[in-house]
Amino acid sequence: DTAVSQTPKYLVTQMGNDKSIKCEQNLGHDTMYWYKQDSKKFLKIMFSYNNKELIINETVPNRFSPKSPDKAHLNLHINSLELGDSAVYFCASSPGAGPDTQYFGPGTRLTVL
Amino acid sequence: AQRVTQPEKLLSVFKGAPVELKCNYSYSGSPELFWYVQYSRQRLQLLLRHISRESIKGFTADLNKGETSFHLKKPFAQEEDSAMYYCALMTGANNLFFGTGTRLTVIP
Repeated sequence: DTAVSQTPKYLVTQMGNDKSIKCEQNLGHDTMYWYKQDSKKFLKIMFSYNNKELIINETVPNRFSPKSPDKAHLNLHINSLELGDSAVYFCASSPGAGPDTQYFGPGTRLTVL
Repeated sequence: AQRVTQPEKLLSVFKGAPVELKCNYSYSGSPELFWYVQYSRQRLQLLLRHISRESIKGFTADLNKGETSFHLKKPFAQEEDSAMYYCALMTGANNLFFGTGTRLTVIP
């Protein structure tokens, strides 16, 4: 009965590869998010997606792209991986577009070699 | 632009001692503030939000708009409180901006 799930939990890959991280929520929430937590534990929002509206943090490179096949899923695609992409990526969801509590997934630790 | 500052990266207190984790924010709009906690090997989870004005696990936090602060307090720390604590500010776009986090260690 996991609320927000992510796969894979760990991802190790070579520089230059393209990879995806999947996120699913079974809470019936309307809004989903992706966050990046760097090696210093600093959490930064990357995207938020509410139905048809995608809000992108302007500092996120365009190699990163979210894809939402339906309301329950928001996958993260990363092209041409770089060493600096190594981090833990968290997916989250919230009921609506207002100031709601966000529920986080367990995180995906990405290591780029 | 919005900003959340947690001045202490590391904080150690003895069990039973009071604890205060500092958080200051900068935001031109009306702030919605949260504290999130990440226990070892667990996912990030909400601890409390200022509009609820509730106490969770003995923790409280009061929004002080004059000092633009939202410090987290607990009168008597427990070992199980050891974790990473993040203060977060929600903007009108429903995006959470996190501080850099404070790692709290409660010494037995």
